Amino acid sequence: AQKVTQAQTEISVVEKEDVTLDCVYETRDTTYYLFWYKQPPSGELVFLIRRNSFDEQNEISGRYSWNFQKSTSSFNFTITASQVVDSAVYFCALSEAMGAQKLVFGQGTRLTINP
Amino acid sequence: DTEVTQTPKHLVMGMTNKKSLKCEQHMGHRAMYWYKQKAKKPPELMFVYSYEKLSINESVPSRFSPECPNSSLLNLHLHALQPEDSALYLCASSQDPRTARNTIYFGEGSWLTVV
Repeated sequence: AQKVTQAQTEISVVEKEDVTLDCVYETRDTTYYLFWYKQPPSGELVFLIRRNSFDEQNEISGRYSWNFQKSTSSFNFTITASQVVDSAVYFCALSEAMGAQKLVFGQGTRLTINP
Repeated sequence: DTEVTQTPKHLVMGMTNKKSLKCEQHMGHRAMYWYKQKAKKPPELMFVYSYEKLSINESVPSRFSPECPNSSLLNLHLHALQPEDSALYLCASSQDPRTARNTIYFGEGSWLTVV
């Protein structure tokens, strides 16, 4: 069975600090897809990144970076020089390759960036 | 801005009312989804439509009735709901129902309160 664990329930940092959100997953499939979504208070789930299980290259997009390590089943997300606008709940999610696309979400990490 | 549009943004309904949530996307996506999200919890899948046909029902009570009139529209009909059904209802879509390789894009959600 699939499972996604985000052990950090809440994180609070001061603006401009770097922050890393942890995500650990479990799956029996060899092909799967990992996602990160951002949910601001408005409610919309904003897509941030998708990573295929066979592509372990790290990704950087502006202040955001992702570290995917199959050996530890982790897909961590780092925000560099955090800003108040980064405050949101962040969800890591997993989708297996076979069958209909069903996202399994972690419990989410509430990130608060204080000015 | 999201390309998945949901209406209404907020809905308050009594337990004897009949109401509907509406979702629209114009990205040509052929898979559409309803998710339910309770406060401080991750989204949970309710229904999946694949090429306008219901492909997954995650054992959702019959007081929730989905409908997909065409490839761009998805409705969720609500009848005889209970206060515990109060939640954020998220609509989503993805390009190809035949593969999990797609990104699922979410709307802003409809905040439902049952009184």
